Amino acid sequence: GQNIDQPTEMTATEGAIVQINCTYQTSGFNGLFWYQQHAGEAPTFLSYNVLDGLEEKGRFSSFLSRSKGYSYLLLKELQMKDSASYLCAVKDSNYQLIWGAGTKLIIKP
Amino acid sequence: DVKVTQSSRYLVKRTGEKVFLECVQDMDHENMFWYRQDPGLGLRLIYFSYDVKMKEKGDIPEGYSVSREKKERFSLILESASTNQTSMYLCASSLSESGANVLTFGAGSRLTVL
Repeated sequence: GQNIDQPTEMTATEGAIVQINCTYQTSGFNGLFWYQQHAGEAPTFLSYNVLDGLEEKGRFSSFLSRSKGYSYLLLKELQMKDSASYLCAVKDSNYQLIWGAGTKLIIKP
Repeated sequence: DVKVTQSSRYLVKRTGEKVFLECVQDMDHENMFWYRQDPGLGLRLIYFSYDVKMKEKGDIPEGYSVSREKKERFSLILESASTNQTSMYLCASSLSESGANVLTFGAGSRLTVL
């Protein structure tokens, strides 16, 4: 079966760095997405990785290793507004998205 | 900005009622999707559509139907609501099937079935 694993909840301190991991087992791979979802709001797109390596976008970076079935989202200089759920999703060989359950990130002052 | 608008943020219905959830997008996207989101689970695809009058079943279509009469509008229908359909329903749209195919989501419709 297809599976996406990510931690249920993480806590970090304002100003610090946090890494949210995502491991996947899917039938084929056509890209990995990270979305951010604030409580009660729509998920919004953060990043897309289809090749191995690190993609940096401001305070947020996303890494992919296809051979290991592994990605992480790195958030630097954490701000209180980064408190949200972070959703990992993989596009499989049929171009269908398989979603993880999301990681709730709690930022403390 | 692409906007996906869901007509109702909160609905409370009784078991057996027919429920319509409406979704409209304003950026001429070909693809539209209906997901449900439940605690502890990833988003689950109910139905999707790649074109007007076209629909495809997702992973959990049972108990649901959809309608896409116009490109910008994708409706989710619960013919006879049941308590296990209490959930957050998210509509999304995207521009193309291949490549990044970034989804733009609506704010969601939280349905409670009593």
